[in-house]
This record gives sequence, C-alpha cells and structure tokens, in this order.
Amino acid sequence: QQQVKQSPQSLIVQKGGISIINCAYENTAFDYFPWYQQFPGKGPALLIAIRPDVSEKKEGRFTISFNKSAKQFSLHIMDSQPGDSATYFCAARTTGTASKLTFGTGTRLQVTL
Amino acid sequence: GAGVSQSPSNKVTEKGKDVELRCDPISGHTALYWYRQSLGQGLEFLIYFQGNSAPDKSGLPSDRFSAERTGGSVSTLTIQRTQQEDSAVYLCASSLAMSYEQYFGPGTRLTVT
Repeated sequence: QQQVKQSPQSLIVQKGGISIINCAYENTAFDYFPWYQQFPGKGPALLIAIRPDVSEKKEGRFTISFNKSAKQFSLHIMDSQPGDSATYFCAARTTGTASKLTFGTGTRLQVTL
Repeated sequence: GAGVSQSPSNKVTEKGKDVELRCDPISGHTALYWYRQSLGQGLEFLIYFQGNSAPDKSGLPSDRFSAERTGGSVSTLTIQRTQQEDSAVYLCASSLAMSYEQYFGPGTRLTVT
C-alpha cells in the first residue's frame, strides 16, 4: 500500500526556472514531512522538513508548501540550478514508537542550461 | 565528524548464497534504520533499532532477512538464500533518539546473479 504518492516521476526544468514536486498522503497520523535529495551513488540527505502546524517553510531557494485539509505537500525549488539535478524524495512519519519514514517513489529532476 | 558508513559498497553474489551487510552509525546515535531502494522505487523500510528496545521488524519482507545490532552500535543485515528480487541498494540511517532527522549512509548495492 503506497501511503505517500509522489509526482511527477521525472522533471526537466531550465536553469533559473521553478521546479515543483508534489506529494499526497493518506495517513492523518503523519506529523512530520521531510524532503530528501539524493545524488547518484550517495545516500539521501535531508533537504528541508515541515510539521503540519505551519503551511509553508522556506530555506534559501527551497520551499515546502503544506495543505493539511487536502493532505498534500509540495517542494518548490526557485531559481533552479544544474547542481540541483538529483532525485528528490518526499517522506512522512508518525510520532511515537515507530520512527520509520514512509517514502514517496521519487522524482528525478534535471536542470538544463 | 564521521557520517554513517556502510560496507561493502558493492556486493555481487550468486542466487542461494547468504550475504551480510554492515552499517556503522554516527557515534552517539541510538536509533538505527535499514531501508531498501529498488530501481525506480522509493525507499522501503526494513527494520528499526532504538537503544535496548526490541527492534521493529515490521518491514522485513521474508524470514530470509534478519538484522542485529551489537553493543548498541554496529548493525549487520543478513539475507539468507538470496534471490534475484533481493537485488537493490540497501541503505542504513541513524538518528539521535529523540530527533526526527535521519542521516543516511551511501548504501550497499547488492546484485544477485
């Protein structure tokens, strides 16, 4: 059962453009929503995360928008750069004894010159 | 400081053989996780260790998979009688007990021929 659905599967954006990746979840018990960035041959690295008590969080060029009623959240990369080319994963987890993250299937982003 | 390390980085094995994958978490991190990343898929949770508590094994796909964590530090994931569908990248992550942030290692790419 896919509890976190991520789209698109791949994305091509021109340098300077805005990259947008969307995720939707089903489990209303989720209370922490991180985004991970993964380069080839490397493990995922935490990029930015949000909790459901805020609707937006911005760190530099990266912004998470969160819509609790729609159970959706998205990553926006402003002024996209070729160095942003990577695979991005959204994830969700529930506070409590189970700390495992439930991941989306990933979005391969390519930023062209 | 040193991050999460995993060994080997690559492992090729014949179908039916047993394999052991090793994870060295960040010093002081009491929580340790194993995930599996198959081609084109997101990360699939396998098992979670937290301190001296019983591990959460709910993600292990079959009884051929097992893991242990010795001395609250190093962990070994063992796959017995490997099958071709076990081919994937196996990722380890660690975190401080009460922290949501998981730090990932570079993974072990397992190929079963």
